[in-house]
Amino acid sequence: QQQVKQSPQSLIVQKGGISIINCAYENTAFDYFPWYQQFPGKGPALLIAIRPDVSEKKEGRFTISFNKSAKQFSLHIMDSQPGDSATYFCAAGGGSSRLTFGEGTQLTVNP
Amino acid sequence: NAGVTQTPKFRILKIGQSMTLQCTQDMNHNYMYWYRQDPGMGLKLIYYSVGAGITDKGEVPNGYNVSRSTTEDFPLRLELAAPSQTSVYFCASSYSRGPLTSGELFFGEGSRLTVL
Repeated sequence: QQQVKQSPQSLIVQKGGISIINCAYENTAFDYFPWYQQFPGKGPALLIAIRPDVSEKKEGRFTISFNKSAKQFSLHIMDSQPGDSATYFCAAGGGSSRLTFGEGTQLTVNP
Repeated sequence: NAGVTQTPKFRILKIGQSMTLQCTQDMNHNYMYWYRQDPGMGLKLIYYSVGAGITDKGEVPNGYNVSRSTTEDFPLRLELAAPSQTSVYFCASSYSRGPLTSGELFFGEGSRLTVL
């Protein structure tokens, strides 16, 4: 199976709060897990990515947590800002598998 | 740097018409992709190319065709447009794909197509 399931579909957070988006995958051969950020009217852009040899990767306010045994990974946005309001896509791929995207999460950060 | 450029940005088609979405990249990337984005459905791969002269089907290729005559250009053709093809189309490119590289995709800004 190539599916990547993402939740929630939409998320509203207050400024300064923590945003958490979750993804689950089925293909144990996946070894590359990126998150893409998309602003309205723009194409997605790579935000942060992780490989399964580590359980966590942090870049500024953005952190990916990875649980290989559960086949789950999540994006945490600390101190969320109105400028973080966007659609976020998780994805999984690697090896002989093409990148498969989750359904997307529309994040709104209220001021 | 221009990156990935898509034209047109918006288009309205009548059922049964045909058109070509243009995509060009100036990063000398080998890999190019066409995705469609529908609300709540994520990004679905239509076709991709690993280099000039080589193309392959993705998840949702029906109703579309592609060609890759140069490294830079990867046009997507819609034949006999149908309302189900109403979507936002994204072209993307990457230097390579596989476990040894980041595999980062660089996307264009999208082409919004409506079929009436």
